Amino acid sequence: QVQLVQSGAEVKKPGASVKVSCKASGHTFTSYGFSWVRQAPGQGLEWMGWISAYHGNTDYAQKLQGRLTVTTDRATSTVYMELRGLTPDDTAVYFCARGHISAAGLFEYWGQGTLVIVSS
Amino acid sequence: DIQMTQSPSSLSASVGDRVTITCRASQGISNYLAWYQQKPGKLPEVLIYDAFTLQSGVPSRFSGSGSGTDFTLTISSLQPEDVATYYCQRYNSAPFTFGPGTKVDIK
Repeated sequence: QVQLVQSGAEVKKPGASVKVSCKASGHTFTSYGFSWVRQAPGQGLEWMGWISAYHGNTDYAQKLQGRLTVTTDRATSTVYMELRGLTPDDTAVYFCARGHISAAGLFEYWGQGTLVIVSS
Repeated sequence: DIQMTQSPSSLSASVGDRVTITCRASQGISNYLAWYQQKPGKLPEVLIYDAFTLQSGVPSRFSGSGSGTDFTLTISSLQPEDVATYYCQRYNSAPFTFGPGTKVDIK
């Protein structure tokens, strides 16, 4: 079955960077696109960015442009999200999500979430 | 970018009530609209996609309608297990923006 397994919780200082991984299994990795979605405590879902596992094309939310990089490692079927210049407002649970084969932005499968805390 | 809005932001209804949540896109998105349910402490799950297509396994009391800019999620008879936050989301093209959510609980 499809699984997305994310790396563990992180605590970072303001100004630092964080890199979260999402290992996919149970499907042909390069047939899909993957997005990162975050959820601040008690808040809604915020789409952050997307990558095509086949082409490597990316698209990012305008507010995160310049701070966010999403990459893949085809050899290990892993998607990475790196966010730089962290502030306390980046404290959130970060989810990876796999798009539908014919609709990249329709998220059928989600990782378990990774809590990132930004605090001095 | 296309903005997504939802109303109401929260509602409280009795078991068996009909519940309606609306979602509006700032520009037309055809029917590339999904509804997600997120129960407390759980992952979001797709309820409806293509504006009105019920995801496999979702109870038939859930239904969706709309096209273009205005969409509706209806729960025909609210059940205790429907307590959750509901999000609409556009997926015709990136950015795959979510609405702010509607929190539903039992009166």
